[in-house]
Amino acid sequence: RKEVEQDPGPFNVPEGATVAFNCTYSNSASQSFFWYRQDCRKEPKLLMSVYSSGNEDGRFTAQLNRASQYISLLIRDSKLSDSATYLCVVLDSGGGADGLTFGKGTHLIIQP
Amino acid sequence: EPEVTQTPSHQVTQMGQEVILRCVPISNHLYFYWYRQILGQKVEFLVSFYNNEISEKSEIFDDQFSVERPDGSNFTLKIRSTKLEDSAMYFCASNPSYSNQPQHFGDGTRLSIL
Repeated sequence: RKEVEQDPGPFNVPEGATVAFNCTYSNSASQSFFWYRQDCRKEPKLLMSVYSSGNEDGRFTAQLNRASQYISLLIRDSKLSDSATYLCVVLDSGGGADGLTFGKGTHLIIQP
Repeated sequence: EPEVTQTPSHQVTQMGQEVILRCVPISNHLYFYWYRQILGQKVEFLVSFYNNEISEKSEIFDDQFSVERPDGSNFTLKIRSTKLEDSAMYFCASNPSYSNQPQHFGDGTRLSIL
């Protein structure tokens, strides 16, 4: 059974701080990895794809460790608007037919 | 930016009734998906659809469920004989091609079974 595990939190972090989330996935053959964010009762929205070499998008940095089946997300200089649930998401195949496997999410609260 | 749109935003239905959830995927996308999220739980894959047929489905997607693309733009999820445990958010998503690109989600339909 395919699983994606995340610390559910909540992480309570002061504005301006740096925060990091991790996730692990069970299927060593997984091909693609993403971080989505989900606001309360809203749809998942793509935050960033995660590439093998690691990648950065503004204040967000994602890392992938295939050997350990581990994905991370780092948020620098956190803003109040970063408060959300962050979903670690894995796609098992290289094709379009497979559904995404979601973690349950890590809840982040940025405090003023 | 093109969006996946879903209607209705909220559907309230009596247990045992049939319900149809509608989605309009992004126009040049080729793969379409349905997911559900029970309150407080993770998002779960139901089914993927390509070239007018089901590509993959999860164990959740049993005979109670069906999908259809009736007119080349709408993509529907039908749930027959609804049960209380079908209450959830249902998200439609689409993907531009046969690749590992991220999927784009609609804003969901909240289904409440009474």
